Amino acid sequence: IAGITQAPTSQILAAGRRMTLRCTQDMRHNAMYWYRQDLGLGLRLIHYSNTAGTTGKGEVPDGYSVSRANTDDFPLTLASAVPSQTSVYFCASSSDTGELFFGEGSRLTVL
Amino acid sequence: GQNIDQPTEMTATEGAIVQINCTYQTSGFNGLFWYQQHAGEAPTFLSYNVLDGLEEKGRFSSFLSRSKGYSYLLLKELQMKDSASYLCAVDSLAGGFKTIFGAGTRLFVKA
Repeated sequence: IAGITQAPTSQILAAGRRMTLRCTQDMRHNAMYWYRQDLGLGLRLIHYSNTAGTTGKGEVPDGYSVSRANTDDFPLTLASAVPSQTSVYFCASSSDTGELFFGEGSRLTVL
Repeated sequence: GQNIDQPTEMTATEGAIVQINCTYQTSGFNGLFWYQQHAGEAPTFLSYNVLDGLEEKGRFSSFLSRSKGYSYLLLKELQMKDSASYLCAVDSLAGGFKTIFGAGTRLFVKA
């Protein structure tokens, strides 16, 4: 089934640890995004990529990094996790019309 | 900067009509989306408006006024399954093509 695949689905990690959230799409969309969703704050854009080889900062980029080596993959890395990064992370890609297709989310808890 | 406002919560009765408003301020406006998100799930696309006016799709309609920075989502013949969060999102070309979300409106449909 075509779409966005995120991994892991859920993860608990200790503060200070490095963590990479994986995201893969098979729709050949050029643009991809990482959002975090926190209660009362909605979806906030962390980083985005309009095409392979390029990335940009969103609303809340600090503490996160991304890479876009090819069209399909867009991993999000937390170099040194902190408790405030506890959240649900959604990866998305967009079609030519701008419609976003989301993965199922990755629930991250930093202790 | 960008700002998107929508009510936090709304309650409506099964079979009724409800209107969810969204106001926005953004530069490089390139369209407005509405997404539906059930608890614990990923957002899914409902509608897209780029020109002024009303777009109708079954029980759901979306309206846009670019000059007023205003949109609404109209849900008719409410069903219990419509209980969800409704997210207003603006496409912006400012600083790179990206989609920014409001905090979302939680709709409770009661019998």
